[in-house]
Amino acid sequence: KNEVEQSPQNLTAQEGEFITINCSYSVGISALHWLQQHPGGGIVSLFMLSSGKKKHGRLIATINIQEKHSSLHITASHPRDSAVYICAVASVDDKIIFGKGTRLHILP
Amino acid sequence: DVKVTQSSRYLVKRTGEKVFLECVQDMDHENMFWYRQDPGLGLRLIYFSYDVKMKEKGDIPEGYSVSREKKERFSLILESASTNQTSMYLCASRPGTGWFYGYTFGSGTRLTVV
Repeated sequence: KNEVEQSPQNLTAQEGEFITINCSYSVGISALHWLQQHPGGGIVSLFMLSSGKKKHGRLIATINIQEKHSSLHITASHPRDSAVYICAVASVDDKIIFGKGTRLHILP
Repeated sequence: DVKVTQSSRYLVKRTGEKVFLECVQDMDHENMFWYRQDPGLGLRLIYFSYDVKMKEKGDIPEGYSVSREKKERFSLILESASTNQTSMYLCASRPGTGWFYGYTFGSGTRLTVV
């Protein structure tokens, strides 16, 4: 079983829809990262969370440490949000473990 | 903003060639990392370095080596390229050791070995 599981693996939605991507993990963590990777490869860090909730523009990330679960939400989705979203956890021994990613496609 | 620059976006090499992938960061970060990314497998750590001249094996070091002679530069070396090393390679850096530091990634090098 993977230590970091994301769902769904692929998601296609219409422009304007509310998007939720989920991440569950099975190890003790110090922090959780949400990353965005556009076609072409470069990865951008969106959030780093150790508790609660963070918001940046139309993006919201939440984490529930007790349930070992995090969600990334996108409000009023737009075709430029189309990308792969990757959840990564920083374990207590300073190792970073990546999920396999969620491929999001927003249709105009 | 911190910038992590990978020297090539796309590279095609022949089996058996020695391949150098270069990564340079411009903000005096202590830690640097090399990952490969394959469909269905996600990012996997090849090697990392916590300081100049230091290197540590990651999860999949076989067939690779690294060099960190200067703080800003971390090179990944494929001693004798093979087709199973065809992949996307990503370099990352962070200011220091500790979970509270965020990572900055390069744009990636897509390597094809023929």
